Amino acid sequence: NAGVTQTPKFQVLKTGQSMTLQCAQDMNHEYMSWYRQDPGMGLRLIHYSVGAGITDQGEVPNGYNVSRSTTEDFPLRLLSAAPSQTSVYFCASSLTYPSGASNQPQHFGDGTRLSIL
Amino acid sequence: EDKVVQSPLSLVVHEGDTVTLNCSYEVTNFRSLLWYKQEKKAPTFLFMLTSSGIEKKSGRLSSILDKKELFSILNITATQTGDSAVYLCAPYGGATNKLIFGTGTLLAVQP
Repeated sequence: NAGVTQTPKFQVLKTGQSMTLQCAQDMNHEYMSWYRQDPGMGLRLIHYSVGAGITDQGEVPNGYNVSRSTTEDFPLRLLSAAPSQTSVYFCASSLTYPSGASNQPQHFGDGTRLSIL
Repeated sequence: EDKVVQSPLSLVVHEGDTVTLNCSYEVTNFRSLLWYKQEKKAPTFLFMLTSSGIEKKSGRLSSILDKKELFSILNITATQTGDSAVYLCAPYGGATNKLIFGTGTLLAVQP
């Protein structure tokens, strides 16, 4: 059982370049999300999806796009990379949309370390 | 504004010690609180707490929630070097009904 798989593990970009961070899960989870983790800031939500075809913005969405064409995949796109987007990016999924007491814990991928020069 | 504060920021102990990690929160529409352990890579789920005063246990780890005083603690007894990690606290709720992560407590357990 692979769980949540993120690729690549490391990437270096130049300012202005575009790229897509891949995230796939094989647990048939409906809810998927992207976070970035910066020193002293904790994990911050970028975008999330409650199911195929449905996405919405999180806390820090600017500069990022997402799509969810299948249940399994949730790619994150940087259209024009900026040094402020240097960070570690985590994809996470859970069985259902978080709903309080029946909230399912989110399972995280191993992360993508992205450096923008 | 929703706020999560974890303390201490970092902690160094010796194997066999007992540690208590703290998480205080001010979160609107609070629903539950999760604890995660993060070693070098992905955060891994430890506990989900939804009710005050009910301790959750897993081996040497335990956690409890106080919804009146707005805090949670994570206890680790008889610490081992494998417990060295960043421990993240994340209340669920807020204006956007999402997990709100604290910055974490870095625990280092020395042999």
